[in-house]
This record gives sequence, structure tokens and C-alpha cells, in this order.
Amino acid sequence: QVELQESGPGLVKPGETLSLTCTVSGASVSSSYWWSWVRQTPGKGLEWIGEVFHSGGASYNPSLNSRVSISIDKSKNQFSLSLDSVTAADTAVYFCARDVITATSGGISDVWGPGTKVIVSS
Amino acid sequence: DIQMTQSPTFLSASVGDRIVISCRASHNISRYLNWFQHSPGTAPKLLMFGASTLHGGIPKRFSGSGSGTDFSLTINDLHREDFATYFCQQTVRIPRTFGQGTTLEI
Repeated sequence: QVELQESGPGLVKPGETLSLTCTVSGASVSSSYWWSWVRQTPGKGLEWIGEVFHSGGASYNPSLNSRVSISIDKSKNQFSLSLDSVTAADTAVYFCARDVITATSGGISDVWGPGTKVIVSS
Repeated sequence: DIQMTQSPTFLSASVGDRIVISCRASHNISRYLNWFQHSPGTAPKLLMFGASTLHGGIPKRFSGSGSGTDFSLTINDLHREDFATYFCQQTVRIPRTFGQGTTLEI
């Protein structure tokens, strides 16, 4: 059974970098899946942040592109999210997910973590 | 970005009812549509992909239809565990965008 678990600080100061890790069990991050991050805010609902492939190739939401980076650590079977220069608008519950990409259905997030809440505040 | 609009935002129903949730895309997305179920504090659950293909383990009382810009999720014979929030998501174009959610409540 594949499980994902987010971890990281629950409180980040404005202007600093938000860093979260997703630990994968029951599957390898080196397999042919994409690994993604999504966040949920009261104001904007669910927002797709981006995704990374085991080769290191990544796609990001253009609205966050200049601030976001997603990387993969095969040795730890984890992938990580880094979001620079955070503001209160980045306060959200952050989810990691496994994506299957198919020609006929696009990206299918078939396994999710339970989410971790991050508050941006001084 | 492709905008996804769900209706209604809130839906009251009872155990045993049949309900329908609508999802409309601002552009033609063919059948590149996923449906998810989410309860607070838990991992979102994939219900359906490709607009109408049930994900493994999802009961057959859930069904989906539509293509292009108009889609719907139908739940027959509501069970107590179905009371949650439902989201649609388009996957034809990046960024993948979600509907604002429909909360199904008793």
C-alpha cells in the first residue's frame, strides 16, 4: 500500500522560505510517476503548485514559478517543496500526491498525503 | 488558466438520496477531468478520472459523465460516509486547476 506523509515547520516568518518534505512508503520515487504538491487555502480553494519526475524534470504553476522549486531525493525516497519569500497568502494546508500521467486522462493524483498546515506569521 | 466552476457550493441531502454535482470548465477540456472526495484532516481521495472512469475500490453508486465543458458527478443511494466535500479538477493543461468544491451535508 502506497502512503505519503508531509512534514515540515508549521510556522514560517514572512519573507522566509517554506520547506516541506513528502516521505513515500510502499513505492519508489524513482518509478515512472510524477510527484506533486497541492495546497488548500480558505480563500482560493485547492491550488496545484507543481510536480517533479524522478529524472528531476519539473513543472510549476506559473503564478508561483519564480518562487517555487520541487526536488527529489532518491536516497531517502522523498521529494520536497521549497517556496521563497512567503507572505500571509501562502498560509495553507499543503498536500503531496503521486501522479500517474496518461495520454488519455492527463495527470491523475491517485494517492495523497493527509496534508500539513503551514502558517505564515511573524 | 482554465477556470473550473462547481455548483452547488453546498448541498443538503439525506442517507439514501441521489445527488448530482455539476462542474463547468471555461475551455474545452475533452474528458480530462478528475473527481475527488475530501474530509477535513484526511487525504483527498480520487473517485474518478477521465470524466467517468471509476478509480479502483470506489463503489459503483458513484458515477460521472460529461465532456467538453460540462460535467457531473452523481452519487446514488447516499451512505453516511459520503458526506464530505467534492472537487473536480481539469488535467488537460498546466496549471491543473480545481473547482471550488461542493460540500455535501446532512
